[in-house]
Amino acid sequence: QKEVEQNSGPLSVPEGAIASLNCTYSDRGSQSFFWYRQYSGKSPELIMSIYSNGDKEDGRFTAQLNKASQYVSLLIRDSQPSDSATYLCAVTPNTNAGKSTFGDGTTLTVKP
Amino acid sequence: GAVVSQHPSRVICKSGTSVKIECRSLDFQATTMFWYRQFPKQSLMLMATSNEGSKATYEQGVEKDKFLINHASLTLSTLTVTSAHPEDSSFYICSARDFASTDTQYFGPGTRLTVL
Repeated sequence: QKEVEQNSGPLSVPEGAIASLNCTYSDRGSQSFFWYRQYSGKSPELIMSIYSNGDKEDGRFTAQLNKASQYVSLLIRDSQPSDSATYLCAVTPNTNAGKSTFGDGTTLTVKP
Repeated sequence: GAVVSQHPSRVICKSGTSVKIECRSLDFQATTMFWYRQFPKQSLMLMATSNEGSKATYEQGVEKDKFLINHASLTLSTLTVTSAHPEDSSFYICSARDFASTDTQYFGPGTRLTVL
């Protein structure tokens, strides 16, 4: 079992729809959770970080964390074709210590 | 957000030569930097963790004598690919952790290495 698991996709949604990306992790001691977006041929860029159970909203993006169930998700509202990219989930075991473990990513395609 | 730069962005070299890639945190101090490699349509692969002032920690299967990492200051880490071969052609990406605020990793723009 991988430490961080994501559905590889591709996930395809129509423009304007909600895209839901999911990530599960195995280390119960994980403290910090991140979502990165990676366009083809580019490096990852940070979208969201979340540390506490519940929802965290930033514009069209909402990260959801449930430590008891060991999953973190990213919702993208009003999806745009420019959101088409690979989304990476990253989990860090302890704040200010340890390295992040990345999932393999979910490829999202938003169709006009 | 924090900015990480990488230089060069693209390099083409002949087989057998060495290539040095620089990674700089521009507006924060990074006690820890990470080096990744990514082949086309594949996942990020962590190569090594670089801590300022100490030896890098390499992931299993990564040759430390081939991929030399130096982290001499809080804002600069370098990766040198020694005696590069065509199979080393890849997208090399560094990231830096902003230790002062959180454990967030910020990525550089990457270096595309092509070895002929």
